[in-house]
Order: sequence, then structure tokens, then C-alpha cells
Amino acid sequence: AQTVTQSQPEMSVQEAETVTLSCTYDTSESDYYLFWYKQPPSRQMILVIRQEAYKQQNATENRFSVNFQKAAKSFSLKISDSQLGDAAMYFCAYRSYYSGGSNYKLTFGKGTLLTVNP
Amino acid sequence: ETGVTQSPTHLIKTRGQQVTLRCSSQSGHNTVSWYQQALGQGPQFIFQYYREEENGRGNFPPRFSGLQFPNYSSELNVNALELDDSALYLCASSLAKGQDYEQYFGPGTRLTVT
Repeated sequence: AQTVTQSQPEMSVQEAETVTLSCTYDTSESDYYLFWYKQPPSRQMILVIRQEAYKQQNATENRFSVNFQKAAKSFSLKISDSQLGDAAMYFCAYRSYYSGGSNYKLTFGKGTLLTVNP
Repeated sequence: ETGVTQSPTHLIKTRGQQVTLRCSSQSGHNTVSWYQQALGQGPQFIFQYYREEENGRGNFPPRFSGLQFPNYSSELNVNALELDDSALYLCASSLAKGQDYEQYFGPGTRLTVT
């Protein structure tokens, strides 16, 4: 079974600064997807960025980028030019690449609460 | 395009009762997954429905059951409620097309069991 670990329960950053959220995972699979989700106080889980394990290039979405280290099973999220609206709980999640049964499920970490200070 | 909606927003039930939570999938999506998110935790996968059939289940007892209807809306039923069932219940819909699809989440139903 896959596991996802987020070792930082809380992080804070000054507005306009950069912050990195950490995530490690454990799997015996070679192909999979990794995601970062944002959950603001409204509770709606929003996809921030995704990474396919077979791609060596790190994914980037505007101010959000990842550092994917497959051998180390590490998947960190970097938020540049932090904005007040970035304040939320951030979850790292894993999904198997293979279809069938519950392989489509997302396995989440416990989350990191990000505070953005003005 | 209508997003994923869930009802009710909040619900309070007594231990031993039964509850039904509802989810309306995003237009065109034929797959729905349900997750339980306890306070301070990440969501845990309950089960998934694809074209009205259960397509995978997490580590939840049989008193957690579901339905998916022809219009792809879905229900989560929980019987014999326990205090530990208090959580945010999220549904996520997706359009299954091979390996590559995204799950779109609803805002959740907050269930409190007293």
C-alpha cells in the first residue's frame, strides 16, 4: 500500500516571499501520479499542480512549481511570490498509474497549513 | 458547466442513526469517488462508482454503502452511526478516460455524530 507523509503540520510565509512545502511518499510502483491540492476554509479541494512519475521535467503552473525526486520519493511544492489568497491547507496526494479496482483512488498526506502574513 | 455539488452542507445525527449524503457530479462525468476527512487529517478513500457500479473500495466497513444513479448523481449511506464517523465527507467526480483524468471535488458535507 502507498503512503504519503507531510512532515510540516504548519508553515508560514511573508507576502511576496517564497515557501516550500515538503512531501515524501512510499510506493513499489514505477509509474504513478503525484498531486498537490489546496483546501481553503471553504473546504473545496482544488488541484494546484500534478506530476507524472514518468516525466523527468518538474511541473510548473504559474507561481507554483514542484521538485520531484523519484529516487528519493520526494515531491515538494514551491510557491513563489506568495499571496494572501494562498493561505490554505495543502495536501500532497498519490495515485496509481494503473487502472482497475481502487487504483484510481487518491492517497493523501495529513496536510500542511500555510499561513501568509501581510 | 456546473461543478460538483453536495447536500446538505452540515448535518447533525445521533449515534446509531442512519444518514444519506448526496452528490451531484460535474456535467458529463461518469465516475464518482467518496472520501472521509476527519478533523486534522487528509481525506481517506471510501469507495468509487463507475457507471452505477462500485469500482473499488477503501478500508471502510459495510455499513458505508453507496449508489450511483443513471444521471451519475450519487449517494453515500452510513448505517449505525458511530461517534468516529464525525467528519467532512467529500465527493469527487471525474470523466474516466484511460489513465489520465482529474477528480473534481465538491465542497463537502460536515457530519457531526453526537
